Amino acid sequence: AQKITQTQPGMFVQEKEAVTLDCTYDTSDPSYGLFWYKQPSSGEMIFLIYQGSYDQQNATEGRYSLNFQKARKSANLVISASQLGDSAMYFCAMSATNFGNEKLTFGTGTRLTIIP
Amino acid sequence: NAGVTQTPKFQVLKTGQSMTLQCAQDMNHEYMSWYRQDPGMGLRLIHYSVGAGITDQGEVPNGYNVSRSTTEDFPLRLLSAAPSQTSVYFCASTWEQGGEQYFGPGTRLTVT
Repeated sequence: AQKITQTQPGMFVQEKEAVTLDCTYDTSDPSYGLFWYKQPSSGEMIFLIYQGSYDQQNATEGRYSLNFQKARKSANLVISASQLGDSAMYFCAMSATNFGNEKLTFGTGTRLTIIP
Repeated sequence: NAGVTQTPKFQVLKTGQSMTLQCAQDMNHEYMSWYRQDPGMGLRLIHYSVGAGITDQGEVPNGYNVSRSTTEDFPLRLLSAAPSQTSVYFCASTWEQGGEQYFGPGTRLTVT
């Protein structure tokens, strides 16, 4: 069985600072994918970034990067130069295979609040 | 291209009533899934489908039925609603080998 742990229920960060959201995972599958989703107060799920377990380089998407440390089973999300619009819930998730992601296991989320 | 659509947006049911949550996608995705989100928790998988005619159970399937007669549609049926099924329901779809799962806007269901 797969498990995602997000140990930070809430975080407060000053605007323009970088922020790291923690995510650790547990799986016995040799191949898997890791995802981060953003859920603003309006409720929709917004895909941010994806990392395959066999990818050699850490994934980046604009201001988002995924700090993937396979030996430590961690997949932290780094947001550079935070903005007020980054205030939201953030969920880490994983899939059972490297590409196919029809079944996602989610963590409990971190509520990020950006302070002006 | 509407993406993933869900209807209704809000629904209130009485205990014991049945209903169907609708989900449709126009991206020709093979994979479709239903998740529920309860307060303070992440999303949990209810049922999923890897293609028309093929469905399987997720983590929390009890009390729900699904079918997949077309690639586009993946309805979720509540057989006899219970207060424990009060939740926000998300439908999602993706390519067979994709890096992103596309989510619908969600249906907020309250069972009294």
